[in-house]
Amino acid sequence: GAGVSQTPSNKVTEKGKYVELRCDPISGHTALYWYRQSLGQGPEFLIYFQGTGAADDSGLPNDRFFAVRPEGSVSTLKIQRTERGDSAVYLCASSLFASQRVSGELFFGEGSRLTVL
Amino acid sequence: AQKITQTQPGMFVQEKEAVTLDCTYDTSDQSYGLFWYKQPSSGEMIFLIYQGSYDEQNATEGRYSLNFQKARKSANLVISASQLGDSAMYFCAMREGNAGNMLTFGGGTRLMVKP
Repeated sequence: GAGVSQTPSNKVTEKGKYVELRCDPISGHTALYWYRQSLGQGPEFLIYFQGTGAADDSGLPNDRFFAVRPEGSVSTLKIQRTERGDSAVYLCASSLFASQRVSGELFFGEGSRLTVL
Repeated sequence: AQKITQTQPGMFVQEKEAVTLDCTYDTSDQSYGLFWYKQPSSGEMIFLIYQGSYDEQNATEGRYSLNFQKARKSANLVISASQLGDSAMYFCAMREGNAGNMLTFGGGTRLMVKP
C-alpha cells in the first residue's frame, strides 16, 4: 500500500514477555518516528530515525525499549520485560524530510495497540 | 511547562456551524512550525494544516483555517461549516527549531458534531 503500515494491529501479551512492533514507512521517506499514545492523551515521542541511525532517542522511557532500522526502511520497536504500564497504542510515522524549512508533515500508520496483562 | 496546551477536552458544535479549537504553545525558538491533526475513532492521525512561525498569513486548507496569533502564542483551528464526519479528536502539535521534525503534541480536544 501507499501509506505507513504497522503490524500487528493488536497485540496482547503477559507481563514480562518480549514484544516486537513493526513499521513499514512510505517508500522514499527517510525520516521515521515512533510515538506512544496512552488512552485519552496525545502521542508522546519515543524515537526518531534519519536513515538507519537513531537521530534522537530521548523519548524512550527506559532501557527496556529499543528500536532499530537496519536498512533505512522498515523499523522494529522492541520492548523487553513488558509491564502493564506499557499498554498503549504505538504509532509510527514517516516523513520525506527532516527539515525545518518545509512543512514536513508526518504521515502516520494506524498504530499497534499493545495490551499487557 | 507544557509545550502545547489544549484547554478544551470536549466541544460540541451544531452541524453546518463553525467551531474554534484552542491551542497555545510555549517555545523560545524563533523558528518553529505548528500542526493540527485529526484522529477519528479508527485511530489514524490525519494531517490537516500547517503554520510556520515566519508565515505572515494565516494558513487555510479548505474548511480548515489556522488563527495564528504569534504574540499570544496561540494557533487556534477554525473549522467552518461543520460536518458529521468532523467528529473526532483533534491534536495541536509543534515542531521546534532543530528538532528534526519531531512533533510535540497537546492533549487533544474531542469534537462532537450534532445533527
